[in-house]
Amino acid sequence: DTGVSQDPRHKITKRGQNVTFRCDPISEHNRLYWYRQTLGQGPEFLTYFQNEAQLEKSRLLSDRFSAERPKGSFSTLEIQRTEQGDSAMYLCASSLGADPEKLFFGSGTQLSVL
Amino acid sequence: GIQVEQSPPDLILQEGANSTLRCNFSDSVNNLQWFHQNPWGQLINLFYIPSGTKQNGRLSATTVATERYSLLYISSSQTTDSGVYFCAVFPYNTDKLIFGTGTRLQVFP
Repeated sequence: DTGVSQDPRHKITKRGQNVTFRCDPISEHNRLYWYRQTLGQGPEFLTYFQNEAQLEKSRLLSDRFSAERPKGSFSTLEIQRTEQGDSAMYLCASSLGADPEKLFFGSGTQLSVL
Repeated sequence: GIQVEQSPPDLILQEGANSTLRCNFSDSVNNLQWFHQNPWGQLINLFYIPSGTKQNGRLSATTVATERYSLLYISSSQTTDSGVYFCAVFPYNTDKLIFGTGTRLQVFP
């Protein structure tokens, strides 16, 4: 069990550029979640997958955001045409089914949009 | 949607002191969890506690689901307890965690 891994750890980009983040869940975990956390706030739900199926998306996930989990293993979160308001920590979590006691978070990707 | 509020927002303690953190939620929930976010941003799952009381070392938690609140107790605090403590709930008929506003704890030697 190597934990939930996220890459990169930090990303600095200019407004208008596209960025992509990767999340590798714990190997046997079939659920994968994306959250966003801005400074001084709690994490906010963005979307989640069960295996390769994206089951729920928050209205926070505008058309510029897209998430995939093509083979039910790793996931990517892409933000197109980044805006300064996208600056945040993007957190990934995985779990075995809906068992909350087996929910583990990665260390996050800190995005700064200049 | 459901509201999750935590108090106090900030807490400063000297090492060895005890503290109680509170989480109120506005509707019935399926599950409740407490997390600790360390200064490097890592979220650690402390307790899964939809009701009742649990203890883990110096930490314990109690949830009174009928009154829609949960308490996290930290005894004999240490500097490594510093960080932000979040309460998070699973509302019924959803698989997404709703996080509270957090309590920022600073423990000084």
